[in-house]
Amino acid sequence: DGGITQSPKYLFRKEGQNVTLSCEQNLNHDAMYWYRQDPGQGLRLIYYSQIVNDFQKGDIAEGYSVSREKKESFPLTVTSAQKNPTAFYLCASSIKATPNEQYFGPGTRLTVT
Amino acid sequence: QQPVQSPQAVILREGEDAVINCSSSKALYSVHWYRQKHGEAPVFLMILLKGGEQKGHEKISASFNEKKQQSSLYLTASQLSYSGTYFCGISNSNSGYALNFGKGTSLLVTP
Repeated sequence: DGGITQSPKYLFRKEGQNVTLSCEQNLNHDAMYWYRQDPGQGLRLIYYSQIVNDFQKGDIAEGYSVSREKKESFPLTVTSAQKNPTAFYLCASSIKATPNEQYFGPGTRLTVT
Repeated sequence: QQPVQSPQAVILREGEDAVINCSSSKALYSVHWYRQKHGEAPVFLMILLKGGEQKGHEKISASFNEKKQQSSLYLTASQLSYSGTYFCGISNSNSGYALNFGKGTSLLVTP
């Protein structure tokens, strides 16, 4: 079955540690996205990538980093510079980076204490 | 800029209708609607494009008013499965690859 996988579903880290969230898709989609979701805030874009080896900052990129070395993978690193990292993180992909349906993964809930 | 959704929350009885609005302060190129159930990933409902094109998977209707810079999602004869949070995501240009999402509208359908 095609889809997007994110792992792990729940992640706990100590403050000051970097952590990498995994996102893999087997839909052969060109574009991939990372969103952060906080209660009552909707979805806020962190980074997006239109094609391999290319990515752009979204609205809240500070304290995050990404890479896109393979078409199917778009990992997100939450660095210690991110002041409020505890949130629900969603990865998505679309066939092209134009107005197209975005398919979302199941999400990773990160808790930093 | 983040679009404004209204209402913030609505409670319906099964079979009733509801309208969810999404307004932008800038000209719209496309509006995307998603539904999210608690603890799950958002699921695509519909895309509306400037010029009138629509793409959708479900029997849900929506409108796109370019002049008013807003879109409305119409949920008719609501079913229990319609419960969830509805998000609109907007793009203000045809080169806008990323979407700005609203804060969501919580919909609860009761028996």
